[in-house]
Amino acid sequence: DAGVTQSPTHLIKTRGQQVTLRCSPKSGHDTVSWYQQALGQGPQFIFQYYEEEERQRGNFPDRFSGHQFPNYSSELNVNALLLGDSALYLCASSPRTSGIYEQYFGPGTRLTVT
Amino acid sequence: AQSVTQLDSHVSVSEGTPVLLRCNYSSSYSPSLFWYVQHPNKGLQLLLKYTSAATLVKGINGFEAEFKKSETSFHLTKPSAHMSDAAEYFCVVSDRIKAAGNKLTFGGGTRVLVKP
Repeated sequence: DAGVTQSPTHLIKTRGQQVTLRCSPKSGHDTVSWYQQALGQGPQFIFQYYEEEERQRGNFPDRFSGHQFPNYSSELNVNALLLGDSALYLCASSPRTSGIYEQYFGPGTRLTVT
Repeated sequence: AQSVTQLDSHVSVSEGTPVLLRCNYSSSYSPSLFWYVQHPNKGLQLLLKYTSAATLVKGINGFEAEFKKSETSFHLTKPSAHMSDAAEYFCVVSDRIKAAGNKLTFGGGTRVLVKP
């Protein structure tokens, strides 16, 4: 049973560019959440998707947007990249209706903005 | 609003001695609480969870945590540290007012060093 997968593993972008990160949830999970983990800090919640809509959002600007596809996979898009966007981006999945509250995390995408 | 405070940013223990990682939380509702571990260059792995059943929760790899509502604490312990326990540990809270898949709020993390 494949867990949460993310691509790419690493990414280097230039300030001002745009980036798209991808996530496939664990089999049987329909909810995807994205987190940003800056170096030396705990992950911060960006947003959560289920039924192809953004359901909750953390304190992140509109430059951060996402999408969820009918197969439950998800993308995170970041526009107008800033140096401060350099971080590990984590995707997590969970089954919304099962009453299970923990989330399962992928290995992350490390984004470096130069 | 929910928040988590991990009282120690770094903990150093000798192999074979007990480990204690301290966590205090704040939540407007009855919380779910978790401990996750992150090894270098790895994703987050769930160690254990509390969701209003027994207050003493047992997890993987010999870890356990006790939920104390009166103290708003959820400290993580292990009787005997192993070299493989060296990692970053995160205490996490989620409110249970909504359906599964709630956002998680992470503490700042505790880095554990295990000395031989």
